[in-house]
Amino acid sequence: NAGVTQTPKFRVLKTGQSMTLLCAQDMNHEYMYWYRQDPGMGLRLIHYSVGEGTTAKGEVPDGYNVSRLKKQNFLLGLESAAPSQTSVYFCASSLAGTSGNNEQFFGPGTRLTVL
Amino acid sequence: GNSVTQMEGPVTLSEEAFLTINCTYTATGYPSLFWYVQYPGEGLQLLLKATKADDKGSNKGFEATYRKETTSFHLEKGSVQVSDSAVYFCALISSGSARQLTFGSGTQLTVLP
Repeated sequence: NAGVTQTPKFRVLKTGQSMTLLCAQDMNHEYMYWYRQDPGMGLRLIHYSVGEGTTAKGEVPDGYNVSRLKKQNFLLGLESAAPSQTSVYFCASSLAGTSGNNEQFFGPGTRLTVL
Repeated sequence: GNSVTQMEGPVTLSEEAFLTINCTYTATGYPSLFWYVQYPGEGLQLLLKATKADDKGSNKGFEATYRKETTSFHLEKGSVQVSDSAVYFCALISSGSARQLTFGSGTQLTVLP
Protein backbone atom coordinates (compact mmCIF):
# COMPACT_ATOMS: atom_id res chain seq x y z
CA ASN A 1 0.00 0.00 0.00
CA ALA A 2 1.27 3.43 -0.91
CA GLY A 3 -0.78 5.12 1.85
CA VAL A 4 -1.37 8.81 1.11
CA THR A 5 0.38 10.26 -1.92
CA GLN A 6 0.51 13.84 -3.14
CA THR A 7 1.42 15.36 -6.49
CA PRO A 8 3.32 17.44 -7.27
CA LYS A 9 6.04 17.58 -4.61
CA PHE A 10 7.17 21.08 -5.52
CA ARG A 11 5.69 23.89 -7.57
CA VAL A 12 6.47 27.52 -8.27
CA LEU A 13 3.65 29.75 -9.49
CA LYS A 14 3.34 33.37 -10.49
CA THR A 15 0.70 35.53 -8.86
CA GLY A 16 -2.65 34.97 -10.57
CA GLN A 17 -1.87 31.53 -11.95
CA SER A 18 -4.01 28.55 -11.11
CA MET A 19 -3.14 25.00 -10.16
CA THR A 20 -4.55 21.82 -8.67
CA LEU A 21 -2.92 19.65 -6.02
CA LEU A 22 -3.85 15.99 -6.07
CA CYS A 23 -4.13 13.72 -3.06
CA ALA A 24 -4.74 9.99 -3.37
CA GLN A 25 -5.18 7.32 -0.70
CA ASP A 26 -5.44 3.56 -1.10
CA MET A 27 -6.67 2.73 2.41
CA ASN A 28 -10.40 3.05 1.63
CA HIS A 29 -10.68 5.93 4.10
CA GLU A 30 -13.90 7.90 4.26
CA TYR A 31 -12.47 11.17 5.55
CA MET A 32 -9.89 13.32 3.80
CA TYR A 33 -8.31 16.64 4.75
CA TRP A 34 -6.16 19.43 3.34
CA TYR A 35 -3.86 21.38 5.67
CA ARG A 36 -1.33 24.11 5.17
CA GLN A 37 1.80 24.40 7.28
CA ASP A 38 3.41 27.77 7.88
CA PRO A 39 6.42 28.53 10.09
CA GLY A 40 5.49 28.95 13.76
CA MET A 41 1.80 28.20 13.13
CA GLY A 42 1.51 24.45 13.08
CA LEU A 43 -0.96 22.97 10.60
CA ARG A 44 -4.24 24.65 9.79
CA LEU A 45 -7.19 22.92 8.17
CA ILE A 46 -8.23 24.33 4.78
CA HIS A 47 -11.05 22.00 3.69
CA TYR A 48 -12.14 18.49 4.47
CA SER A 49 -14.44 15.78 3.16
CA VAL A 50 -16.45 13.18 5.06
CA GLY A 51 -17.21 11.10 1.99
CA GLU A 52 -17.34 10.96 -1.78
CA GLY A 53 -19.17 13.96 -3.20
CA THR A 54 -19.05 15.99 0.05
CA THR A 55 -16.75 18.83 1.11
CA ALA A 56 -16.70 21.35 3.94
CA LYS A 57 -14.71 24.41 4.97
CA GLY A 58 -12.04 24.28 7.61
CA GLU A 59 -10.25 27.04 9.46
CA VAL A 60 -8.65 28.84 6.48
CA PRO A 61 -10.69 28.10 3.31
CA ASP A 62 -10.47 31.44 1.50
CA GLY A 63 -8.76 31.30 -1.89
CA TYR A 64 -9.08 27.51 -2.18
CA ASN A 65 -11.61 25.10 -3.62
CA VAL A 66 -11.81 21.33 -3.32
CA SER A 67 -13.51 18.39 -4.94
CA ARG A 68 -14.03 14.75 -3.94
CA LEU A 69 -15.43 13.06 -7.04
CA LYS A 70 -13.91 9.69 -6.13
CA LYS A 71 -13.51 8.25 -2.67
CA GLN A 72 -9.77 7.80 -3.08
CA ASN A 73 -8.98 11.29 -4.41
CA PHE A 74 -9.21 14.77 -2.89
CA LEU A 75 -8.23 17.74 -5.06
CA LEU A 76 -7.22 21.17 -3.81
CA GLY A 77 -7.47 24.03 -6.29
CA LEU A 78 -6.05 27.52 -6.30
CA GLU A 79 -7.90 29.60 -8.88
CA SER A 80 -5.74 32.72 -8.65
CA ALA A 81 -2.62 32.17 -6.59
CA ALA A 82 -1.35 34.85 -4.22
CA PRO A 83 2.00 35.14 -2.40
CA SER A 84 0.15 34.55 0.89
CA GLN A 85 -0.53 31.01 -0.33
CA THR A 86 3.16 30.16 -0.31
CA SER A 87 3.21 27.23 2.09
CA VAL A 88 3.62 23.51 2.49
CA TYR A 89 0.38 21.65 1.86
CA PHE A 90 -0.41 18.34 3.50
CA CYS A 91 -3.21 15.94 2.72
CA ALA A 92 -4.45 13.43 5.28
CA SER A 93 -7.05 10.70 5.48
CA SER A 94 -8.76 8.67 8.18
CA LEU A 95 -11.43 6.09 8.72
CA ALA A 96 -14.89 7.21 9.77
CA GLY A 97 -16.10 6.14 13.18
CA THR A 98 -16.13 7.26 16.77
CA SER A 99 -14.37 10.47 17.62
CA GLY A 100 -10.67 10.38 18.39
CA ASN A 101 -9.96 6.74 17.80
CA ASN A 102 -9.03 6.88 14.16
CA GLU A 103 -5.56 8.05 13.23
CA GLN A 104 -5.09 10.57 10.46
CA PHE A 105 -2.46 9.44 7.96
CA PHE A 106 -0.52 12.19 6.25
CA GLY A 107 1.01 12.49 2.81
CA PRO A 108 4.59 13.74 2.25
CA GLY A 109 3.53 17.29 1.42
CA THR A 110 3.65 19.72 -1.51
CA ARG A 111 5.89 22.76 -1.25
CA LEU A 112 4.28 25.66 -3.14
CA THR A 113 5.92 29.01 -3.78
CA VAL A 114 3.93 31.89 -5.27
CA LEU A 115 6.04 34.71 -6.68
CA GLY B 1 -13.07 27.21 20.25
CA ASN B 2 -10.34 24.61 20.59
CA SER B 3 -6.71 25.55 20.98
CA VAL B 4 -3.37 23.93 21.74
CA THR B 5 -0.49 25.80 23.34
CA GLN B 6 2.86 24.21 22.92
CA MET B 7 6.25 24.90 24.41
CA GLU B 8 8.13 27.12 22.03
CA GLY B 9 11.40 25.93 20.61
CA PRO B 10 13.82 25.30 19.34
CA VAL B 11 15.07 22.82 21.91
CA THR B 12 18.64 21.57 21.74
CA LEU B 13 19.78 18.66 23.90
CA SER B 14 22.75 16.38 24.16
CA GLU B 15 22.30 12.69 23.46
CA GLU B 16 20.93 10.74 26.46
CA ALA B 17 19.44 13.88 28.04
CA PHE B 18 15.89 13.95 29.42
CA LEU B 19 13.26 15.57 27.24
CA THR B 20 10.07 17.38 28.20
CA ILE B 21 7.93 19.30 25.73
CA ASN B 22 4.98 21.02 27.38
CA CYS B 23 1.51 21.04 25.87
CA THR B 24 -1.70 22.48 27.28
CA TYR B 25 -5.09 22.66 25.63
CA THR B 26 -8.49 24.30 25.65
CA ALA B 27 -11.41 22.30 24.32
CA THR B 28 -15.07 21.62 24.79
CA GLY B 29 -16.15 18.23 26.00
CA TYR B 30 -13.63 15.43 26.28
CA PRO B 31 -11.03 15.68 23.52
CA SER B 32 -8.61 13.02 22.37
CA LEU B 33 -4.97 14.10 22.49
CA PHE B 34 -2.12 13.31 20.16
CA TRP B 35 1.57 13.85 19.59
CA TYR B 36 2.72 13.85 15.97
CA VAL B 37 6.34 13.88 14.79
CA GLN B 38 7.69 15.33 11.54
CA TYR B 39 11.14 14.25 10.43
CA PRO B 40 13.02 16.51 7.99
CA GLY B 41 11.41 16.54 4.55
CA GLU B 42 8.59 14.21 5.52
CA GLY B 43 4.92 14.35 6.45
CA LEU B 44 3.56 13.96 9.96
CA GLN B 45 3.46 10.61 11.71
CA LEU B 46 1.42 9.74 14.76
CA LEU B 47 3.76 9.23 17.72
CA LEU B 48 1.26 8.49 20.48
CA LYS B 49 -2.25 9.26 21.61
CA ALA B 50 -4.58 9.20 24.62
CA THR B 51 -8.35 9.24 24.39
CA LYS B 52 -9.48 9.75 27.99
CA ALA B 53 -8.33 11.29 31.24
CA ASP B 54 -5.37 9.58 32.99
CA ASP B 55 -4.56 7.52 29.89
CA LYS B 56 -0.86 7.29 29.12
CA GLY B 57 0.22 7.06 25.52
CA SER B 58 3.65 5.61 24.77
CA ASN B 59 5.76 4.73 21.75
CA LYS B 60 9.48 4.53 20.92
CA GLY B 61 10.39 5.50 24.50
CA PHE B 62 8.19 8.61 24.44
CA GLU B 63 5.34 9.00 26.91
CA ALA B 64 2.56 11.48 27.58
CA THR B 65 -0.24 11.39 30.17
CA TYR B 66 -3.67 12.95 29.64
CA ARG B 67 -4.17 15.26 32.63
CA LYS B 68 -7.69 16.64 32.64
CA GLU B 69 -7.25 18.60 35.86
CA THR B 70 -4.37 20.62 34.38
CA THR B 71 -5.53 20.31 30.72
CA SER B 72 -2.06 19.11 29.78
CA PHE B 73 -0.41 16.41 27.69
CA HIS B 74 3.33 16.87 28.14
CA LEU B 75 5.69 14.74 26.05
CA GLU B 76 8.63 13.08 27.82
CA LYS B 77 11.52 10.80 26.97
CA GLY B 78 14.11 9.61 29.42
CA SER B 79 17.08 9.46 27.06
CA VAL B 80 16.97 11.13 23.65
CA GLN B 81 18.95 10.02 20.62
CA VAL B 82 20.26 11.92 17.62
CA SER B 83 17.59 10.17 15.55
CA ASP B 84 14.87 11.87 17.64
CA SER B 85 15.73 15.20 16.02
CA ALA B 86 12.46 16.35 14.46
CA VAL B 87 9.53 18.71 14.91
CA TYR B 88 6.94 17.58 17.45
CA PHE B 89 3.30 18.67 17.30
CA CYS B 90 0.71 18.38 20.02
CA ALA B 91 -2.86 18.10 18.73
CA LEU B 92 -6.40 17.40 19.80
CA ILE B 93 -9.68 16.23 18.37
CA SER B 94 -12.81 17.39 20.12
CA SER B 95 -16.14 15.68 20.03
CA GLY B 96 -17.38 17.75 17.11
CA SER B 97 -18.01 16.66 13.57
CA ALA B 98 -15.37 15.20 11.24
CA ARG B 99 -12.86 14.93 14.05
CA GLN B 100 -10.86 17.93 12.93
CA LEU B 101 -7.35 18.04 14.36
CA THR B 102 -6.28 21.25 16.08
CA PHE B 103 -2.49 21.56 16.18
CA GLY B 104 -0.04 23.39 18.35
CA SER B 105 2.67 25.43 16.66
CA GLY B 106 5.29 22.67 16.85
CA THR B 107 8.58 22.33 18.71
CA GLN B 108 11.84 21.78 16.86
CA LEU B 109 14.08 19.32 18.72
CA THR B 110 17.75 18.95 17.86
CA VAL B 111 19.79 16.28 19.61
CA LEU B 112 23.56 16.63 19.44
CA PRO B 113 25.94 13.67 19.65
